[in-house]
Formats: sequence, C-alpha cells, structure tokens
Amino acid sequence: QSALTQPPSASGSPGQSVTISCTGTSSDVGGYNYVSWYQQHPGKAPKLMIYEVNKWPSGVPDRFSGSKSGNTASLTVSGLQAEDEADYYCSSYAGSNNLVFGGGTKLTVL
Amino acid sequence: EVQLLESGGGSVQPGGSLRLSCAASGFPFSSYAMSWVRQAPGKGPEWVSGISGSGGSTYYADSVKGRFILSRDNSKNTLNLQMSNLRAEDTAVYYCVKDQRSAPRGVDYWGQGTLVTVSS
Repeated sequence: QSALTQPPSASGSPGQSVTISCTGTSSDVGGYNYVSWYQQHPGKAPKLMIYEVNKWPSGVPDRFSGSKSGNTASLTVSGLQAEDEADYYCSSYAGSNNLVFGGGTKLTVL
Repeated sequence: EVQLLESGGGSVQPGGSLRLSCAASGFPFSSYAMSWVRQAPGKGPEWVSGISGSGGSTYYADSVKGRFILSRDNSKNTLNLQMSNLRAEDTAVYYCVKDQRSAPRGVDYWGQGTLVTVSS
C-alpha cells in the first residue's frame, strides 16, 4: 500500500488561511469517507483534528475543517495562530482493514 | 480519559525479537479495534498491524506480515505485538493506537510511543 501524497511544507501568516492537500487513489481516499487528519508537535504523539473527512473531535476548534473531492482530501486551517505550527498528517482507510498515512506537511506560521 | 501506555521498546540486533505491550484504560476496550502505528525518524506514520475489538481478526501491513504477531487480552485491557526477525528498517517509534470503530477505520487516540532500534 503506497503512502498518501502530501506537500512537504505549507505556510501562512497569523490570521490567514492555509490548505493542505492529501492525494490518494480510488482504493483509499476516493473510495471511502474515512479520511482523518492529525497534528503533531515535535516530540509529541499525533492528535486527531478531523475524522471521517469533515467531522470534529471534541475540543478541536472549528478553525480546522476538512473536505474531499475525488481522490484528494484537504485540511484547511483558518485564522492561523502561532500554536498551529506543527506537522500535519492525513490518513485513510484503504480497504481490507488496512490504514494508510501521508508523508506529512510541515506547517509554518510566518 | 483514554490512556494508552506502551512498554517493551529497546535496542535489538538484526534478526532478533522484541515484544511490545500496551495497557489501555478509559474506554470499553473490547468495543474498539486497536492497532500499532510506527514512525521512523523524520518520516510519516506507517500502519503496522490491527486487531478487531473481539480479537478474532488480525490484520498486517505487507512489510511485517509473517514476522509480527498481534494479540489482545480483553480481560486485562492489554494489546501485545510480538516482533521477530527484526530488520534495520523496523527502527521507529511504535505507537499503540485506538480506532474509532470495532474494525480498523481510523485512529482517534495515540499513546506516547516506545522506541525500537534495530542495529548491530
């Protein structure tokens, strides 16, 4: 199972919006509504930010939003804040009870 | 509060074996699938293996199939990963993770991880 494709980096100024893409295939992202997004600060475990494409776990601000079109999912962070600077990973159900992750995007708040 | 506490990591030579354990609390353990996800230094996460809530079904990534065995004890709320014939490319932080459903569909909680280093 090949990893999902994410841009290695993204950036934005405080208050701006930034969108991170996650491209897979019809066998994973495009085939199921089980796309999740995770935030990881250095030395910490990943934290769930979005699940099932566009749903928020309890406690996650609605500045984070998810969407999907075809084989590409996206995470949008609105009203960027300094604490949003982190690595972001997408994942998708890939059938046959397997999961696949993206390579990660480093978000820099300028 | 969901808590996942891994143990058993360490250094091992190529070809060696290691057993990882995860103690879970804060949720009805047998109702949810559990998995191990690893992350090599500077890389994205890689799903390694998953097990259904009942423990009756196990699933493996091709990279570890035939070398790793995943099991769970629902009476003790523990998850175990027996790793054998370890290779250098197995070096990573291994995370115990909880799924949102009774079969692997998406991770919602992660433990703090345990480091496995395979080197001669």
